[in-house]
Amino acid sequence: QQQVKQSPQSLIVQKGGISIINCAYENTAFDYFPWYQQFPGKGPALLIAIRPDVSEKKEGRFTISFNKSAKQFSLHIMDSQPGDSATYFCAASKIETSGSRLTFGEGTQLTVNP
Amino acid sequence: DSGVTQTPKHLITATGQRVTLRCSPRSGDLSVYWYQQSLDQGLQFLIQYYNGEERAKGNILERFSAQQFPDLHSELNLSSLELGDSALYFCASSVGFEFSYGYTFGSGTRLTVV
Repeated sequence: QQQVKQSPQSLIVQKGGISIINCAYENTAFDYFPWYQQFPGKGPALLIAIRPDVSEKKEGRFTISFNKSAKQFSLHIMDSQPGDSATYFCAASKIETSGSRLTFGEGTQLTVNP
Repeated sequence: DSGVTQTPKHLITATGQRVTLRCSPRSGDLSVYWYQQSLDQGLQFLIQYYNGEERAKGNILERFSAQQFPDLHSELNLSSLELGDSALYFCASSVGFEFSYGYTFGSGTRLTVV
């Protein structure tokens, strides 16, 4: 019930291409779905997040698509750049005012070739 | 600099030993979270403190313990260390729930047990 499944494990994209990472969750109580970006030697940093009351959210080149009935959400990176090369994690949690744990996916190592 | 400070950055110790990892949250943040990141287990939630009180517990081993002090800094104590405890340990902090900012992660402590 607490798992978040992420795919693919690794992804290689050419500069200018679209990177797509998918996640699926089981716990229907989850109501907050963030994506984190992690560079080597650094902690994860919030990239973009969505609530289940919307089906899509766009911030610059990054878009989250959310399918509540299928319990799936995905990250699209448009016009991928070499600087986007990093590990991406989807996550999910149940919102609490004091904050709550994030359940992370397994991570996707993205490489954008110049 | 994320504002979350973790010390030390690197730690090498022998099996059976005990270590303490320290985390200073971002100024004003009341919640502190500890996560373990290993190659085979990904990012796993360990424990959360909110304003000095334990708020949530994940799959934290009995050999591990944590606390949050009145000045809101937190310590994670790992005892009777085993080779499998080698991992990156991240601390994150938040005021409570912040949709736009999520949880701010520190740069982590890399623990190597030999």
